Amino acid sequence: ILNVEQSPQSLHVQEGDSTNFTCSFPSSNFYALHWYRWETAKSPEALFVMTLNGDEKKKGRISATLNTKEGYSYLYIKGSQPEDSATYLCASLNDYKLSFGAGTTVTVRA
Amino acid sequence: SQTIHQWPATLVQPVGSPLSLECTVEGTSNPNLYWYRQAAGRGLQLLFYSVGIGQISSEVPQNLSASRPQDRQFILSSKKLLLSDSGFYLCAWSTRPPYEQYFGPGTRLTVT
Repeated sequence: ILNVEQSPQSLHVQEGDSTNFTCSFPSSNFYALHWYRWETAKSPEALFVMTLNGDEKKKGRISATLNTKEGYSYLYIKGSQPEDSATYLCASLNDYKLSFGAGTTVTVRA
Repeated sequence: SQTIHQWPATLVQPVGSPLSLECTVEGTSNPNLYWYRQAAGRGLQLLFYSVGIGQISSEVPQNLSASRPQDRQFILSSKKLLLSDSGFYLCAWSTRPPYEQYFGPGTRLTVT
């Protein structure tokens, strides 16, 4: 079982503010880094899958970066809205095995 | 389009009773299939994955087992449930690497 860590565990953001949080993962035998959004009472849904060092992906107000050499990824939310409230999971694919972090729970206050 | 089904949605079972959770996928052939569990206050833990019929890999030793009797059917079982088996169970499927996961609706299991 690989050590995929996410920080912080939770954060509260005022509506309209931007925020970011981190996923760290083993860089050895790395293949891909996934980000998922998990809203209450729903199933996790994929946001991004990144494989290359320096990758940046964007979907609306949410973006992510990847550093495979040092083993970390950032997820950014610009201009947070209440509908962004969710738990954001990252998962690292190493040696073709996928390991999830514990997630960062984001609460956006109106 | 692909669809993944899980049932039941919720389940309350006494300690020592058996368990059977079922997952089926539609709209894809020969998918990789996965069972995850989220225990209270914790992240997703991979329990089992399967790359084909009858092929099961266990990630965490415990009193659970999995079977894949058909290409798009994945079953999670236990002969005797423990209190620690309570949690939220998710089935997922993926295709080729990088194995983007498509999750089912989940089953909330409470062992009393």
